[in-house]
Amino acid sequence: KAGVTQTPRYLIKTRGQQVTLSCSPISGHRSVSWYQQTPGQGLQFLFEYFSETQRNKGNFPGRFSGRQFSNSRSEMNVSTLELGDSALYLCASSSSGRGTDTQYFGPGTRLTVL
Amino acid sequence: AQSVTQLGSHVSVSEGALVLLRCNYSSSVPPYLFWYVQYPNQGLQLLLKYTSAATLVKGINGFEAEFKKSETSFHLTKPSAHMSDAAEYFCAVIKSYNTDKLIFGTGTRLQVFP
Repeated sequence: KAGVTQTPRYLIKTRGQQVTLSCSPISGHRSVSWYQQTPGQGLQFLFEYFSETQRNKGNFPGRFSGRQFSNSRSEMNVSTLELGDSALYLCASSSSGRGTDTQYFGPGTRLTVL
Repeated sequence: AQSVTQLGSHVSVSEGALVLLRCNYSSSVPPYLFWYVQYPNQGLQLLLKYTSAATLVKGINGFEAEFKKSETSFHLTKPSAHMSDAAEYFCAVIKSYNTDKLIFGTGTRLQVFP
C-alpha cells in the first residue's frame, strides 16, 4: 500500500503570494490532518478533515484554509504569504479518525517564503 | 497549560546505553498518548501509543513506554541505544475522543555516541 504522499516536496515563494499544498492519504483512509513545523513553535495543529468535513481547526489566521475532496485527498492554501509561514507542512491520515487508530505522516512540504 | 511536557531538549547517550526520554502529561487529558520519531528531512513515524489498554506499551525498534497515572508520566525507554536511534522524538496527546488532533511536546533530540 502506498504511503501518504505530499506534493510538492519543496516550494519557494515570495511574500504576498499564495500557495496550495496537496496531501494524498493512504487508500481507504478518511481522516486527514495538517501540521506546521517550525524551529521556534514546534509542531502545531492546523486542520483536521473527516469525510470532507472540517472537524477541528488550529489557532491560525484566516489566511490558512483547507479542504478535503470526496476521494479523501486534501489541500491546504495559504494566502498573502508572510516570512513566518516558512515551515515544514506535514499531513497525516488515519482510517477512522477516532484517535486510537495509527496516524501515518507524509514526508512533508518544505515551504520557504522570501 | 501545556498538555504534554518533554523534559530535556537534548539527550546524549553512548551506544549500548539505556535511553530514557521523559514526557509528562496534563492530568486533565484522556489517556491517548503517543511517541513519534522524526529522522532528518522526513515526516513522523509512530513508535508506540497508549489507548487505555496495557500500561506497558511496546513499540517498534525495541522502544517501550509505561503509562503511570500517579506520576502523569509516559516516559520512553530503550535498553540499549543504537547509532540509528539518533533522531528527534516527540511525545503527543489526543485530548478528546473521535478526533485525530495531536498536541505535541517540544521534542527531544537524541544523540548517540560510539
